Amino acid sequence: AQSVAQPEDQVNVAEGNPLTVKCTYSVSGNPYLFWYVQYPNRGLQFLLKYITGDNLVKGSYGFEAEFNKSQTSFHLKKPSALVSDSALYFCAVRSGNTPLVFGKGTRLSVIA
Amino acid sequence: EPEVTQTPSHQVTQMGQEVILRCVPISNHLYFYWYRQILGQKVEFLVSFYNNEISEKSEIFDDQFSVERPDGSNFTLKIRSTKLEDSAMYFCASSSSRGGSYEQYFGPGTRLTVT
Repeated sequence: AQSVAQPEDQVNVAEGNPLTVKCTYSVSGNPYLFWYVQYPNRGLQFLLKYITGDNLVKGSYGFEAEFNKSQTSFHLKKPSALVSDSALYFCAVRSGNTPLVFGKGTRLSVIA
Repeated sequence: EPEVTQTPSHQVTQMGQEVILRCVPISNHLYFYWYRQILGQKVEFLVSFYNNEISEKSEIFDDQFSVERPDGSNFTLKIRSTKLEDSAMYFCASSSSRGGSYEQYFGPGTRLTVT
């Protein structure tokens, strides 16, 4: 069965500092990995995805994520956090055409 | 930028009542999905829909649930007889392809409260 773990419920970071939101996954077959962000009263917005190829993928709003097959991880990163990055972040995985499986989410708080 | 929309944003209903949650997917998308998120828990897959039929459904999606695309734009989720445990945020999503590498675009959700 597929699963996603986001070990941190909350991540706090000072504005201008680098941020990392962690995600590990378990899947049979080759994974397709996604990050979504949810702002208050908004839907889940797609940030970036890993399909194949380069392990470092770049997405919207300056975010990037690194796929690590040996550690089965797909951590979300940004070199310099903004207060406006404060939101709920979800990691998700699927394999082939299987349904998306989400982590429980990590609340990012960027402090000015 | 095209968006998935959902109505209502919040629905309060009494246990045993029927509810219909509505979604308008992105216009050129062909694959539609419903997910739910019980407060404080994970986002969970309910059902996928293509070509006017269910492609896949989870064990959550029992006989109390049904989906329909009544016209060319709306995609609905019906819960026939709501239970307290149906209280959750329900998200609609759509994608241009069923393929696993294609991202799904989500609506803002409908918060369903069953009393």
